[in-house]
Amino acid sequence: AQSVAQPEDQVNVAEGNPLTVKCTYSVSGNPYLFWYVQYPNRGLQFLLKYITGDNLVKGSYGFEAEFNKSQTSFHLKKPSALVSDSALYFCAVRPDSGGYNKLIFGAGTRLAVHP
Amino acid sequence: ETGVTQTPRHLVMGMTNKKSLKCEQHLGHNAMYWYKQSAKKPLELMFVYSLEERVENNSVPSRFSPECPNSSHLFLHLHTLQPEDSALYLCASSRNRDRSYEQYFGPGTRLTVT
Repeated sequence: AQSVAQPEDQVNVAEGNPLTVKCTYSVSGNPYLFWYVQYPNRGLQFLLKYITGDNLVKGSYGFEAEFNKSQTSFHLKKPSALVSDSALYFCAVRPDSGGYNKLIFGAGTRLAVHP
Repeated sequence: ETGVTQTPRHLVMGMTNKKSLKCEQHLGHNAMYWYKQSAKKPLELMFVYSLEERVENNSVPSRFSPECPNSSHLFLHLHTLQPEDSALYLCASSRNRDRSYEQYFGPGTRLTVT
């Protein structure tokens, strides 16, 4: 079955420290991978995506993610966390099959950045 | 703002009521989606419309009825809902059906069924 796993329900980081939010996937073929962020009482906002090419992709608000095909991972990273980064983060994958843009989402990881 | 708006933002309805959720996108996209977000569960894709044609109905109960009159508007008609249908309902759109394009989400409608 095709799936996305975010193994941590919550990640706690001190402001100014680097952060990592983990994501692994299980899909057939070559996946397209996405990260979204959700602030309270808001919809999901697109952060970045991996389609092809360089395994390190950069996105909004200083976030980046590294695609690792051998480990089937797509971890989200930021060199220096801000309190305003506190939110719910979703990893999503678009499998290599099917005729339309269907995303499979992980359960989400809550990031808490402490002053 | 993502260019996708949803109304109402909050809705409380009884199990015998009929209501509709509205979504409008101002991005020139031609694919639209309904998702259900429940606490501690992954987002569930409910319906997909591409060029106003429904291309996915993800085993959603018939008490949810989508409508896409044009590429900018999407509705979700609700009737005889159950308390377990209480959730955040998110609308999204994308440039087209191509899988490389990201989806843009609206702020959601928080639905409470009493």
